[in-house]
Amino acid sequence: DQQVKQNSPSLSVQEGRISILNCDYTNSMFDYFLWYKKYPAEGPTFLISISSIKDKNEDGRFTVFLNKSAKHLSLHIVPSQPGDSAVYFCAASEYGNKLVFGAGTILRVKS
Amino acid sequence: GAGVSQSPSNKVTEKGKDVELRCDPISGHTALYWYRQSLGQGLEFLIYFQGNSAPDKSGLPSDRFSAERTGGSVSTLTIQRTQQEDSAVYLCASSSRTGQGYTDTQYFGPGTRLTVL
Repeated sequence: DQQVKQNSPSLSVQEGRISILNCDYTNSMFDYFLWYKKYPAEGPTFLISISSIKDKNEDGRFTVFLNKSAKHLSLHIVPSQPGDSAVYFCAASEYGNKLVFGAGTILRVKS
Repeated sequence: GAGVSQSPSNKVTEKGKDVELRCDPISGHTALYWYRQSLGQGLEFLIYFQGNSAPDKSGLPSDRFSAERTGGSVSTLTIQRTQQEDSAVYLCASSSRTGQGYTDTQYFGPGTRLTVL
């Protein structure tokens, strides 16, 4: 039973344009959501997070939106840069416990 | 150190042998987590430590897997009688949470790539 789903295995975007990565979840008890970026042969790197009491959090080029009624969150990267090319994982936790991860989305930013 | 460190970075072993994987969390972080990522899969939770105790071991796939943490710092994940399906990247993360209900961020190490022949 996948509690966190990233339905797009890959996404290709032109440099300078917006990248939108999507994530859906089923567990209504999740109260904290995170996005991680992962390069090959490295551990995941924390990007941005959002608490369930908010619907938006912004950090530089990265913005995360949370729609609790739809159990959906998205990560916007504007403008996209070639260095953003990586695998992006959505993760969620309940009461700060273990993270439940999605399967990841491969983002390719073309120059 | 500045971040989470793990050793070894790569481990190749023969089926049936035991292996030990080590994690050094960020200094001062009280919570430590082990995950693994099998080929083509997402990250899968294994075990969580708060201090030296493990309140959540629900992700350990079998009794061949065990972990301990000493001194509230270093943790060792041990896999006994390794099988080919144990081949994966084993990732450790730490966070500064002080108790349940405190939301925080988990910071990951680079992982140990385990290959069981």
